[in-house]
Amino acid sequence: NAGVTQTPKFQVLKTGQSMTLQCAQDMNHNSMYWYRQDPGMGLRLIYYSASEGTTDKGEVPNGYNVSRLNKREFSLRLESAAPSQTSVYFCASSWASGPGYEQYFGPGTRLTVT
Amino acid sequence: QKEVEQNSGPLSVPEGAIASLNCTYSDRGSQSFFWYRQYSGKSPELIMFIYSNGDKEDGRFTAQLNKASQYVSLLIRDSQPSDSATYLCAVKGIQGAQKLVFGQGTRLTINP
Repeated sequence: NAGVTQTPKFQVLKTGQSMTLQCAQDMNHNSMYWYRQDPGMGLRLIYYSASEGTTDKGEVPNGYNVSRLNKREFSLRLESAAPSQTSVYFCASSWASGPGYEQYFGPGTRLTVT
Repeated sequence: QKEVEQNSGPLSVPEGAIASLNCTYSDRGSQSFFWYRQYSGKSPELIMFIYSNGDKEDGRFTAQLNKASQYVSLLIRDSQPSDSATYLCAVKGIQGAQKLVFGQGTRLTINP
């Protein structure tokens, strides 16, 4: 099992460009998440999907959109990239979103917006 | 007040000693508590989780939870250089939401 996979691993964008970060999991998990990690800030939740067909905003959703394509895949789109979106993006998944379920993280995408 | 707070460190501990990492949280109703380890340039990986007051041990790691004081800690016994990493405390159930809220992480360095 590959666990949680993310593409691309690295990306450089110019301000105003758009891109989609891809995430897939092969653990048959119901819930999926997108986080960003900035120095000294810990991980902050952007969007999550508690189950297939549902998505909800997290702590820092502005400037992002998500699509839960199917049970396996959850994508994050930046419509018009800004330098403030320079960050490391992690996708995670869990069996469910309740209190007892741990999250498994993908390897991350390092995004630089110039 | 941040929802989950950790001392960002760096915390420096000699090899073989006990490393103590601390975390406080704002919501008394929080339900579950997780410790993740993150090596530089890598993704977080779960070390331990704890739900009930008291101690939970797993090998060299012990998680301690005190809900009355809204405090959770991680002890690492017989610290090894390979334990050098950033440790993230995460709390679920803040304000009833089933989302993980992370602290900013504590950078731990084990000195040989």
